[in-house]
Amino acid sequence: GNSVTQMEGPVTLSEEAFLTINCTYTATGYPSLFWYVQYPGEGLQLLLKATKADDKGSNKGFEATYRKETTSFHLEKGSVQVSDSAVYFCALRKDSNYQLIWGAGTKLIIKP
Amino acid sequence: SAVISQKPSRDICQRGTSLTIQCQVDSQVTMMFWYRQQPGQSLTLIATANQGSEATYESGFVIDKFPISRPNLTFSTLTVSNMSPEDSSIYLCSVVEGSDGYTFGSGTRLTVV
Repeated sequence: GNSVTQMEGPVTLSEEAFLTINCTYTATGYPSLFWYVQYPGEGLQLLLKATKADDKGSNKGFEATYRKETTSFHLEKGSVQVSDSAVYFCALRKDSNYQLIWGAGTKLIIKP
Repeated sequence: SAVISQKPSRDICQRGTSLTIQCQVDSQVTMMFWYRQQPGQSLTLIATANQGSEATYESGFVIDKFPISRPNLTFSTLTVSNMSPEDSSIYLCSVVEGSDGYTFGSGTRLTVV
């Protein structure tokens, strides 16, 4: 069936470090892929998305490329800030309906 | 994109009671989703609510425990019935706009004592 696997957290980095949060998926067809972010005490916000292979989603300095050959959608940022501390969720949308399949979430902690 | 007003934002309830969570959307949307997010975990879909039809529940969730109403295209409620401490969680509503636009309410943090 369809599933999303994220690297386990928490991930702890120093400010200005390079960030990668791995996300791989299993799906039939051609799903759309998403990264959502949940800041402490807040709701979920869409960070970026990609709807077809080789698409690159980007927002707020974050990027992720839809790699069909490796079934991956890794989240990257070149230089993280303390304000990036949050929980990041990878998700996919199945072809045939609008349900989202969620990864377990990765907590990111950025230390000054 | 749509704006969702979800309330209450948090509540502490006695076991055996029920709580109704409301989501109001500032535009008409066909599909609304209700999720549960248990502490430190990912989101689990409870049900999909379309206006004018019965909600579709995911495996492990039943209408008697989580009745849902969807009286029009801008509003929905989720009731958590006969609560136990295991129901302590964050409950979120979500809508989809267009092909890939998902918006979430700010969540209801429920504690059952």
